[in-house]
Amino acid sequence: NAGVTQTPKFQVLKTGQSMTLQCAQDMNHEYMSWYRQDPGMGLRLIHYSVGAGITDQGEVPNGYNVSRSTTEDFPLRLLSAAPSQTSVYFCASRRRGPPQETQYFGPGTRLLVL
Amino acid sequence: GNSVTQMEGPVTLSEEAFLTINCTYTATGYPSLFWYVQYPGEGLQLLLKATKADDKGSNKGFEATYRKETTSFHLEKGSVQVSDSAVYFCALSDRDGGYQKVTFGIGTKLQVIP
Repeated sequence: NAGVTQTPKFQVLKTGQSMTLQCAQDMNHEYMSWYRQDPGMGLRLIHYSVGAGITDQGEVPNGYNVSRSTTEDFPLRLLSAAPSQTSVYFCASRRRGPPQETQYFGPGTRLLVL
Repeated sequence: GNSVTQMEGPVTLSEEAFLTINCTYTATGYPSLFWYVQYPGEGLQLLLKATKADDKGSNKGFEATYRKETTSFHLEKGSVQVSDSAVYFCALSDRDGGYQKVTFGIGTKLQVIP
C-alpha cells in the first residue's frame, strides 16, 4: 500500500495563478481532508469529504475548491493564488467509523506564492 | 466548539531526560484523544491514542492518560533520545453533525540534544 500520496512536493506560484494539489489514497477510506499548516497555528481544516460526491467546508475554505469524483482522489484547487496561501498543505484520510479511527497523512506539499 | 491547548515550544532537553508535554482540551461530547508526531520534512503519523476516560495510550516508550476530570492528555516519556526530536500534536476527535471532526493543537516542537 502506498497510503496517502500527494503531488507535487514543492511548488512556487505567482500571485493570481491557479493550480491543483493532488491527493490520492489506496486504503478505500471514506473520509478525506485537506489541512494547511502554518507556524503558531497548527493544522487548520480547509475542506473535507465524507464520500465520493460529498464535500464540505472546514475552518478556512476561502480561495480553495475541492471535488471528490472517486473514493481514491481528492484534489485541492487554488483558484487565484495569494501570498497568504503560502503554507504547507497536508491531505489526510480515515475510515468512516467511531471517533478513535486514526487519520493517515500524506507527506505534504510546500507552496510558496510570490 | 472543541479546542485543544498545548505549548508551542520549543522544548529543549538533554538525551535521557524526562519529557512531559501538556495537553488540555475542551469538548462538548465524549471525544477520543490522540498524539500525532511529525518528523522533519514528513507528514503527521499517529503516536498513540485513548478512547475513554482513564484509558492509557502507549507506544515507543511514550504514554498519555485520558483524564476526564482535568480534561487533559499529557504526553510523557521517561528517557528521550535524539531521534525523538520532532513536533508533537495533541488532537481530539468528536462528532460534529454527521462528521467525526478532528481538532488539533498548535504542535509542540521537541529538540533533544546529545
